[in-house]
Amino acid sequence: DARVTQTPRHKVTEMGQEVTMRCQPILGHNTVFWYRQTMMQGLELLAYFRNRAPLDDSGMPKDRFSAEMPDATLATLKIQPSEPRDSAVYFCASGGLATPSEFFGPGTRLTVL
Amino acid sequence: GQNIDQPTEMTATEGAIVQINCTYQTSGFNGLFWYQQHAGEAPTFLSYNVLDGLEEKGRFSSFLSRSKGYSYLLLKELQMKDSASYLCAVRSTGGGNKLTFGTGTQLKVEL
Repeated sequence: DARVTQTPRHKVTEMGQEVTMRCQPILGHNTVFWYRQTMMQGLELLAYFRNRAPLDDSGMPKDRFSAEMPDATLATLKIQPSEPRDSAVYFCASGGLATPSEFFGPGTRLTVL
Repeated sequence: GQNIDQPTEMTATEGAIVQINCTYQTSGFNGLFWYQQHAGEAPTFLSYNVLDGLEEKGRFSSFLSRSKGYSYLLLKELQMKDSASYLCAVRSTGGGNKLTFGTGTQLKVEL
């Protein structure tokens, strides 16, 4: 059963600390997306990659957020320094040529104190 | 830019039928998606329309009219487990072929 996996599932940290979230897309999928979900804003796209190349990161605060794909099996989202307003659930999703839809991972619930 | 509208909340009775509407404005339309999201969980894919008409998948159906910028999700024989948020999302070439999500419709199924 192919799934997107994300670690950690929960993270509590203090303001100013670095946070790294990891995602393993479904094997064979060539598109990876990072979303943030809050009650106020809903689901927002932060960045996405196709064939490991960043295509769009316009939704991401550039001063503190960075997204990378070191290889085809790993995507990372980093926040440095973290702030309380970054508290949200961060979802990774992946998609492939054989399917029009995106498949979401379980999310990382981030709390910044 | 893109604009997606759907009702914030709906309530329906177990066993009944409910229709959740979604209207959108976009350039370079390239597909409309419906996702279901239970509280505390990830969105899961329900249906996809790229051509006008009805797509049926068991108890769930989705309809699209591209000329009207309109879609609906129809849920039949409602069950308590259908209580969830239903997200309408649009893919457009004008948006770089990425999905833009609506804010979701919270459906509550009651006895």
